[in-house]
Amino acid sequence: DAKTTQPNSMESNEEEPVHLPCNHSTISGTDYIHWYRQLPSQGPEYVIHGLTSNVNNRMASLAIAEDRKSSTLILHRATLRDAAVYYCILRSAGGTSYGKLTFGQGTILTVHP
Amino acid sequence: GAGVSQSPRYKVAKRGQDVALRCDPISGHVSLFWYQQALGQGPEFLTYFQNEAQLDKSGLPSDRFFAERPEGSVSTLKIQRTQQEDSAVYLCASSQLGQLPTYEQYFGPGTRLTVT
Repeated sequence: DAKTTQPNSMESNEEEPVHLPCNHSTISGTDYIHWYRQLPSQGPEYVIHGLTSNVNNRMASLAIAEDRKSSTLILHRATLRDAAVYYCILRSAGGTSYGKLTFGQGTILTVHP
Repeated sequence: GAGVSQSPRYKVAKRGQDVALRCDPISGHVSLFWYQQALGQGPEFLTYFQNEAQLDKSGLPSDRFFAERPEGSVSTLKIQRTQQEDSAVYLCASSQLGQLPTYEQYFGPGTRLTVT
Protein backbone atom coordinates (compact mmCIF):
# COMPACT_ATOMS: atom_id res chain seq x y z
CA ASP A 1 0.00 0.00 0.00
CA ALA A 2 1.17 3.51 -0.74
CA LYS A 3 2.17 5.38 2.40
CA THR A 4 1.40 8.85 3.66
CA THR A 5 3.54 11.19 5.71
CA GLN A 6 2.07 13.81 8.04
CA PRO A 7 3.55 16.13 10.65
CA ASN A 8 3.21 14.75 14.18
CA SER A 9 1.48 17.85 15.51
CA MET A 10 0.19 21.30 14.59
CA GLU A 11 -1.29 24.17 16.53
CA SER A 12 -3.82 26.79 15.62
CA ASN A 13 -5.82 29.55 17.19
CA GLU A 14 -9.57 29.49 17.29
CA GLU A 15 -11.33 31.00 14.27
CA GLU A 16 -8.16 30.91 12.17
CA PRO A 17 -7.71 28.70 9.10
CA VAL A 18 -5.71 25.50 9.47
CA HIS A 19 -3.81 23.76 6.68
CA LEU A 20 -2.92 20.15 7.42
CA PRO A 21 -0.42 18.72 4.92
CA CYS A 22 0.01 15.16 3.74
CA ASN A 23 2.69 13.72 1.47
CA HIS A 24 1.99 10.63 -0.60
CA SER A 25 4.74 10.49 -3.19
CA THR A 26 4.08 6.84 -4.15
CA ILE A 27 0.37 7.31 -4.80
CA SER A 28 -1.00 5.31 -7.72
CA GLY A 29 -3.48 6.51 -10.32
CA THR A 30 -6.37 4.63 -8.72
CA ASP A 31 -5.75 5.74 -5.12
CA TYR A 32 -8.30 8.02 -3.52
CA ILE A 33 -7.13 10.42 -0.79
CA HIS A 34 -9.27 10.20 2.33
CA TRP A 35 -9.16 12.17 5.56
CA TYR A 36 -10.56 10.98 8.85
CA ARG A 37 -10.30 12.59 12.24
CA GLN A 38 -10.54 11.17 15.73
CA LEU A 39 -11.74 13.31 18.60
CA PRO A 40 -10.65 12.33 22.12
CA SER A 41 -12.31 9.13 23.35
CA GLN A 42 -14.29 8.67 20.13
CA GLY A 43 -14.04 6.53 17.05
CA PRO A 44 -12.65 8.07 13.86
CA GLU A 45 -15.04 10.05 11.67
CA TYR A 46 -14.91 10.68 7.95
CA VAL A 47 -14.00 14.20 6.89
CA ILE A 48 -13.54 14.30 3.14
CA HIS A 49 -12.07 12.47 0.15
CA GLY A 50 -10.91 13.22 -3.37
CA LEU A 51 -9.17 11.75 -6.40
CA THR A 52 -7.75 14.55 -8.54
CA SER A 53 -9.82 17.70 -8.16
CA ASN A 54 -10.13 19.90 -5.11
CA VAL A 55 -13.18 19.09 -2.99
CA ASN A 56 -15.31 21.06 -0.57
CA ASN A 57 -17.89 19.92 1.94
CA ARG A 58 -19.48 21.34 5.07
CA MET A 59 -16.59 20.23 7.24
CA ALA A 60 -13.50 21.09 5.22
CA SER A 61 -11.80 21.51 1.88
CA LEU A 62 -9.28 19.20 0.27
CA ALA A 63 -6.62 20.65 -2.00
CA ILE A 64 -4.80 18.08 -4.15
CA ALA A 65 -1.52 18.90 -5.86
CA GLU A 66 -1.47 18.62 -9.63
CA ASP A 67 0.97 15.68 -9.51
CA ARG A 68 -1.12 14.14 -6.66
CA LYS A 69 1.99 13.56 -4.58
CA SER A 70 0.65 15.74 -1.79
CA SER A 71 -2.59 17.14 -0.46
CA THR A 72 -3.78 19.59 2.16
CA LEU A 73 -6.83 19.44 4.38
CA ILE A 74 -8.14 22.93 5.05
CA LEU A 75 -10.29 23.83 8.01
CA HIS A 76 -11.49 27.33 7.19
CA ARG A 77 -12.19 28.50 10.75
CA ALA A 78 -10.89 26.25 13.47
CA THR A 79 -13.02 25.78 16.56
CA LEU A 80 -12.13 24.12 19.83
CA ARG A 81 -14.20 21.15 18.69
CA ASP A 82 -11.78 20.60 15.80
CA ALA A 83 -9.01 19.54 18.18
CA ALA A 84 -8.38 15.96 17.15
CA VAL A 85 -5.97 13.58 15.44
CA TYR A 86 -6.25 13.92 11.66
CA TYR A 87 -5.41 10.95 9.47
CA CYS A 88 -4.59 11.10 5.76
CA ILE A 89 -5.28 7.70 4.15
CA LEU A 90 -4.99 6.33 0.63
CA ARG A 91 -7.70 3.97 -0.57
CA SER A 92 -7.21 1.92 -3.68
CA ALA A 93 -9.96 1.30 -6.21
CA GLY A 94 -8.56 -2.11 -6.98
CA GLY A 95 -6.84 -5.09 -5.44
CA THR A 96 -7.98 -7.19 -2.53
CA SER A 97 -7.76 -4.63 0.24
CA TYR A 98 -11.56 -4.79 0.61
CA GLY A 99 -11.56 -1.14 1.56
CA LYS A 100 -9.71 -1.49 4.84
CA LEU A 101 -8.24 1.75 6.12
CA THR A 102 -4.52 1.89 6.86
CA PHE A 103 -4.01 4.55 9.50
CA GLY A 104 -0.63 6.13 10.17
CA GLN A 105 0.25 8.20 13.22
CA GLY A 106 -1.77 11.17 12.04
CA THR A 107 -1.40 14.83 12.98
CA ILE A 108 -2.45 15.94 16.44
CA LEU A 109 -4.18 19.31 16.02
CA THR A 110 -4.31 21.57 19.05
CA VAL A 111 -6.63 24.58 18.88
CA HIS A 112 -6.00 27.44 21.29
CA PRO A 113 -8.86 29.68 22.45
CA GLY B 1 -30.41 8.18 12.42
CA ALA B 2 -28.72 5.61 14.62
CA GLY B 3 -25.01 5.19 14.16
CA VAL B 4 -22.74 2.25 14.88
CA SER B 5 -23.01 1.06 18.46
CA GLN B 6 -20.65 -1.14 20.43
CA SER B 7 -20.99 -2.90 23.74
CA PRO B 8 -19.70 -2.99 26.32
CA ARG B 9 -17.95 0.37 26.22
CA TYR B 10 -15.46 -0.77 28.83
CA LYS B 11 -14.35 -4.27 29.74
CA VAL B 12 -11.86 -5.37 32.36
CA ALA B 13 -10.74 -8.98 32.10
CA LYS B 14 -8.32 -11.03 34.10
CA ARG B 15 -5.54 -12.59 32.10
CA GLY B 16 -6.72 -15.89 30.68
CA GLN B 17 -10.42 -14.98 30.53
CA ASP B 18 -12.45 -15.04 27.35
CA VAL B 19 -14.23 -11.86 26.21
CA ALA B 20 -16.87 -11.08 23.60
CA LEU B 21 -17.27 -7.63 22.07
CA ARG B 22 -20.42 -6.72 20.19
CA CYS B 23 -20.93 -4.39 17.23
CA ASP B 24 -24.29 -3.18 15.88
CA PRO B 25 -23.66 -1.63 12.47
CA ILE B 26 -25.85 0.86 10.67
CA SER B 27 -28.87 -0.95 9.28
CA GLY B 28 -28.41 -2.05 5.69
CA HIS B 29 -24.64 -1.65 5.63
CA VAL B 30 -23.07 -4.53 3.76
CA SER B 31 -19.50 -4.02 4.95
CA LEU B 32 -18.23 -4.36 8.50
CA PHE B 33 -14.69 -3.85 9.74
CA TRP B 34 -12.96 -4.42 13.07
CA TYR B 35 -9.90 -2.42 14.08
CA GLN B 36 -7.63 -2.50 17.13
CA GLN B 37 -6.17 0.72 18.53
CA ALA B 38 -3.33 0.59 21.03
CA LEU B 39 -2.73 3.60 23.26
CA GLY B 40 -1.23 6.48 21.31
CA GLN B 41 -1.37 4.67 17.98
CA GLY B 42 -3.64 4.79 14.96
CA PRO B 43 -6.23 2.03 14.51
CA GLU B 44 -5.04 -1.19 12.86
CA PHE B 45 -7.20 -3.41 10.70
CA LEU B 46 -8.24 -6.78 12.12
CA THR B 47 -10.91 -8.28 9.89
CA TYR B 48 -13.58 -7.54 7.26
CA PHE B 49 -17.06 -8.93 6.58
CA GLN B 50 -19.19 -8.52 3.50
CA ASN B 51 -22.64 -9.48 4.74
CA GLU B 52 -22.03 -12.73 6.64
CA ALA B 53 -18.89 -13.69 4.76
CA GLN B 54 -15.56 -13.01 6.41
CA LEU B 55 -13.47 -12.06 3.39
CA ASP B 56 -10.32 -10.85 5.10
CA LYS B 57 -8.96 -11.87 8.48
CA SER B 58 -5.35 -11.06 7.74
CA GLY B 59 -5.08 -8.59 10.62
CA LEU B 60 -6.13 -10.92 13.42
CA PRO B 61 -3.00 -11.15 15.61
CA SER B 62 -3.40 -14.75 16.68
CA ASP B 63 -5.74 -17.72 16.63
CA ARG B 64 -7.10 -16.52 19.96
CA PHE B 65 -9.03 -13.87 18.03
CA PHE B 66 -12.24 -14.90 16.33
CA ALA B 67 -14.96 -12.81 14.68
CA GLU B 68 -18.38 -13.68 13.31
CA ARG B 69 -21.36 -12.02 11.68
CA PRO B 70 -23.78 -14.93 11.25
CA GLU B 71 -26.80 -13.05 9.88
CA GLY B 72 -24.98 -10.27 8.12
CA SER B 73 -25.82 -7.61 10.68
CA VAL B 74 -24.55 -7.77 14.27
CA SER B 75 -20.94 -8.87 14.67
CA THR B 76 -19.04 -10.27 17.63
CA LEU B 77 -15.29 -10.21 18.16
CA LYS B 78 -14.19 -12.88 20.58
CA ILE B 79 -10.82 -13.06 22.26
CA GLN B 80 -9.93 -16.28 24.04
CA ARG B 81 -7.44 -16.58 26.89
CA THR B 82 -6.80 -12.82 27.00
CA GLN B 83 -3.25 -11.57 27.43
CA GLN B 84 -2.02 -8.18 28.63
CA GLU B 85 -0.98 -7.24 25.11
CA ASP B 86 -4.63 -7.50 24.06
CA SER B 87 -5.38 -4.34 26.06
CA ALA B 88 -6.56 -1.80 23.51
CA VAL B 89 -9.63 -0.06 22.11
CA TYR B 90 -11.52 -2.25 19.68
CA LEU B 91 -13.32 -0.27 17.00
CA CYS B 92 -16.06 -1.43 14.67
CA ALA B 93 -16.93 0.37 11.44
CA SER B 94 -19.61 -0.20 8.85
CA SER B 95 -20.07 1.00 5.30
CA GLN B 96 -22.69 0.67 2.59
CA LEU B 97 -20.20 -0.84 0.17
CA GLY B 98 -16.89 -0.68 1.91
CA GLN B 99 -14.94 -2.23 -0.92
CA LEU B 100 -15.50 0.83 -3.07
CA PRO B 101 -13.07 3.65 -2.27
CA THR B 102 -15.72 6.35 -2.54
CA TYR B 103 -17.74 4.99 0.37
CA GLU B 104 -16.93 6.23 3.83
CA GLN B 105 -16.73 4.11 6.94
CA TYR B 106 -18.79 4.94 10.01
CA PHE B 107 -17.11 4.08 13.28
CA GLY B 108 -18.56 3.16 16.62
CA PRO B 109 -17.24 4.60 19.89
CA GLY B 110 -15.13 1.52 20.56
CA THR B 111 -14.75 -0.93 23.42
CA ARG B 112 -11.83 -0.29 25.73
CA LEU B 113 -10.46 -3.64 26.89
CA THR B 114 -8.10 -3.76 29.84
CA VAL B 115 -6.50 -7.08 30.71
CA THR B 116 -5.12 -7.26 34.25
